[in-house]
Amino acid sequence: IVLTQSPGTLSLSPGERATLSCRAGQSVYSSFLAWYQQKPGQAPRLLIYGASNRATGIPDRFSGSGSGTDFTLTISKVEPEDFAVYYCQQYGASPRITFGQGTRLEIK
Amino acid sequence: QVQVQQRGARLVKPSETLSLTCDVSNGSLSGYFWTWVRQPPGKGLEWIGEINHHGSTNYNPSLKGRVTISIDTSKNQFSLSLSSVTAAETAVYYCARQTVTAYRYSGMDVWGQGTTVTVSS
Repeated sequence: IVLTQSPGTLSLSPGERATLSCRAGQSVYSSFLAWYQQKPGQAPRLLIYGASNRATGIPDRFSGSGSGTDFTLTISKVEPEDFAVYYCQQYGASPRITFGQGTRLEIK
Repeated sequence: QVQVQQRGARLVKPSETLSLTCDVSNGSLSGYFWTWVRQPPGKGLEWIGEINHHGSTNYNPSLKGRVTISIDTSKNQFSLSLSSVTAAETAVYYCARQTVTAYRYSGMDVWGQGTTVTVSS
């Protein structure tokens, strides 16, 4: 399954709302869709699993939604530490795991 | 808290075999799928393959049979072997833990520190 993320780059100021999209080439079970944050020089960090469940320790300004082929990661009010690259990922179809190409959230 | 520590050769010659190992501490291999992911410089994430504690594996078909992932429960470690590497496979290689059931996927929640592997003569 191909995952296409948009936009490629999102330029926002701290305090603004961020909406990141992940579109699948075919339907994905919601229970098998995850989101990650990656900062330079660091391993990815799990944010959301099951499309809408926050991982342990993730602030509640991060939320996930969607079903079928359209999924969204929302950051209600972007904090300075949130500027990073975000990836969606599905588990299930062959290949068993695919990632989107990423959305870079940068400071405006 | 479960930790995963990666080790292995950081420089591999073209056509040779890349080998990496992840040691798991403060936790068991049982009940999880353990996975390898790589990231070429400046690019996105690519899944390589996964293994569970029974030794059941799934691989990315794009790697065309060059990849082998193994597990040693007695040593609490799992390993990646990628043969016939090319310079294009220079990347940061990560290992990670996943929780998977028939009805739910809980994501890659514990990651190794990453190993930068350079393929060069």
